[in-house]
Amino acid sequence: DIQMTQSPSTLSASIGDRVTITCRASQNINIWLAWFQQKPGKAPELLVYMASTLQSGVPSRFSGSGSGTEFTLTINSLRPDDFATYYCQQYLSHHVTFGQGTTLEIK
Amino acid sequence: QVQLVQSGAEVKMPGASLKLSCKASGYTFTSFAMHWVRQAPGQSLEWMGRINGGSGNTKYSQNFQDRVTLTWDTSAKIAYMELSSLGSGDTAIYFCARALSMTVVALPGHWGQGTLVTVSS
Repeated sequence: DIQMTQSPSTLSASIGDRVTITCRASQNINIWLAWFQQKPGKAPELLVYMASTLQSGVPSRFSGSGSGTEFTLTINSLRPDDFATYYCQQYLSHHVTFGQGTTLEIK
Repeated sequence: QVQLVQSGAEVKMPGASLKLSCKASGYTFTSFAMHWVRQAPGQSLEWMGRINGGSGNTKYSQNFQDRVTLTWDTSAKIAYMELSSLGSGDTAIYFCARALSMTVVALPGHWGQGTLVTVSS
């Protein structure tokens, strides 16, 4: 299985900040990488796919980049609604795998 | 719009089997793969398998290979996930999720609300 490792596990930030979450794959996954946002008690929601393509309806303050084994999700101008847990997921392999998650907390 | 409505919460005894449902609407049901993903309390997401659009062929995670069966009722537009030989480690929220597109079958893009399953004696 392809292992996905996110850092940091927890991130504290303030409203208006810019934050970056990193995701590393255990092998080359080209650009077959997605990012999800999950709020407590809710299903994950797709933010980004193909490493950098924003899903329809996702605000432009979210952006994804990277290829191969290293990827980032950047959120500009944090809003209260952005405080949640974020997961990366590879879909190169039919056995998709997720990172362990990054919880974004209000400082 | 795409809507996936999952069946209600369940409590099961260890050793029992489970069958969850996921009713789809808002799209051509058999054209898209349906994934099942679970999330244990406080944990990350774990992919279980998918049933492919069109053929209805299935792919399963090796972690569940012998215990999980995915099926669907195309006339009712309902996908099912059966899991046998339940243990306490199967306590989790189970999500169905439709593939993002007909070509990107491996990406679960639209998710149901989840079903909480508790395994306890």
